[in-house]
Amino acid sequence: QKEVEQNSGPLSVPEGAIASLNCTYSDRGSQSFFWYRQYSGKSPELIMSIYSNGDKEDGRFTAQLNKASQYVSLLIRDSQPSDSATYLCAVGGANFGNEKLTFGTGTRLTIIP
Amino acid sequence: SQTIHQWPATLVQPVGSPLSLECTVEGTSNPNLYWYRQAAGRGLQLLFYSVGIGQISSEVPQNLSASRPQDRQFILSSKKLLLSDSGFYLCAWSIDRGGNQPQHFGDGTRLSIL
Repeated sequence: QKEVEQNSGPLSVPEGAIASLNCTYSDRGSQSFFWYRQYSGKSPELIMSIYSNGDKEDGRFTAQLNKASQYVSLLIRDSQPSDSATYLCAVGGANFGNEKLTFGTGTRLTIIP
Repeated sequence: SQTIHQWPATLVQPVGSPLSLECTVEGTSNPNLYWYRQAAGRGLQLLFYSVGIGQISSEVPQNLSASRPQDRQFILSSKKLLLSDSGFYLCAWSIDRGGNQPQHFGDGTRLSIL
């Protein structure tokens, strides 16, 4: 059974600080990793994709992937109140033609002004 | 650019009534399509996915069914709704490139069963 684990939170971070969100996955052969942001009552929105070990930066967001440790993280620099949301980690399967993603249950992030 | 439309946004239905939720995608051909349900405060549960017209894979045995009558249309149905069918229903699409593609979600339908 493929699993994606996230700390449910809530994670409270002061405005302007770095928010660090973590995700572990069980399928060692997983090849694709995504972070989604979901505001309360809204649908998930893709914010980051990462496929290779290392860091990928996009504006204030940095995704980090360590396949050996089966660990993916999302860093949000200069956190803003608008970053308050639930962040979902999603992992793609190892097999070609596997069209499904496995989602974690999400980490609720609150940015404190 | 690609867009996904899902309707209605909210729906209140009595127990035992039928259901039909529709999702359409524009700006792409032969997308992979997905139906998810999210219970209040919970994670995403994949219900059905489709890689082509008439091709439906069911992930969870339940009171629901799905159909894909056209390339960019995905329909979620039920003949008789149960209280446990309440939730936030999300349609998503991804590019058909052999897997490992991100999924993009519609705005969702919030379904309440009375």
